[in-house]
Amino acid sequence: DAKTTQPPSMDCAEGRAANLPCNHSTISGNEYVYWYRQIHSQGPQYIIHGLKNNETNEMASLIITEDRKSSTLILPHATLRDTAVYYCIVRGRSYNTDKLIFGTGTRLQVFP
Amino acid sequence: SQTIHQWPATLVQPVGSPLSLECTVEGTSNPNLYWYRQAAGRGLQLLFYSIGIGQISSEVPQNLSASRPQDRQFILSSKKLLLSDSGFYLCAWSVTSGEQFFGPGTRLTVL
Repeated sequence: DAKTTQPPSMDCAEGRAANLPCNHSTISGNEYVYWYRQIHSQGPQYIIHGLKNNETNEMASLIITEDRKSSTLILPHATLRDTAVYYCIVRGRSYNTDKLIFGTGTRLQVFP
Repeated sequence: SQTIHQWPATLVQPVGSPLSLECTVEGTSNPNLYWYRQAAGRGLQLLFYSIGIGQISSEVPQNLSASRPQDRQFILSSKKLLLSDSGFYLCAWSVTSGEQFFGPGTRLTVL
């Protein structure tokens, strides 16, 4: 499974866009990039995933570079409730399972 | 819609005591099931996963075991708890789409 590298922490003003970077330089051609977040004392929550094209849903946008060695999760209008640890994961596949290898993530603090 | 339940929500146990944490999923059939542990201030560590009844794979050697007696029930156990077993235990389920859905977790403190 490819390893990911994320900054340990970031700050963002409420209402502004939060751009969370992730490096995954050893990603394989058939591996997806997944993003989850974990609000304090809760289980992780799926946000978005992508293979090579940029993706957008109601929560966020995912921008993947053309060489797929890095990606950026964008929260377009951050709110205080977006304060959480954000995990970038390159999904490894094993027989019929989708094992997720969580790193230490980026702790995003949204301030008023 | 699918829901996942874990209990108990919190647990305080003495060293050397047994452990049983239960996870059940509703609204889906034949899910993949997972147990994770998160030590204080650390990331999530995958402990066990299961692709079907009675089929358990262990990711790391440890003092814990898992069982899946029914399709939507996943149990985490220990015969004798260690101090290092303290942490936040999370159960998750998925189908082949790859997204995992996590339960509310059990916070275990071993004293």
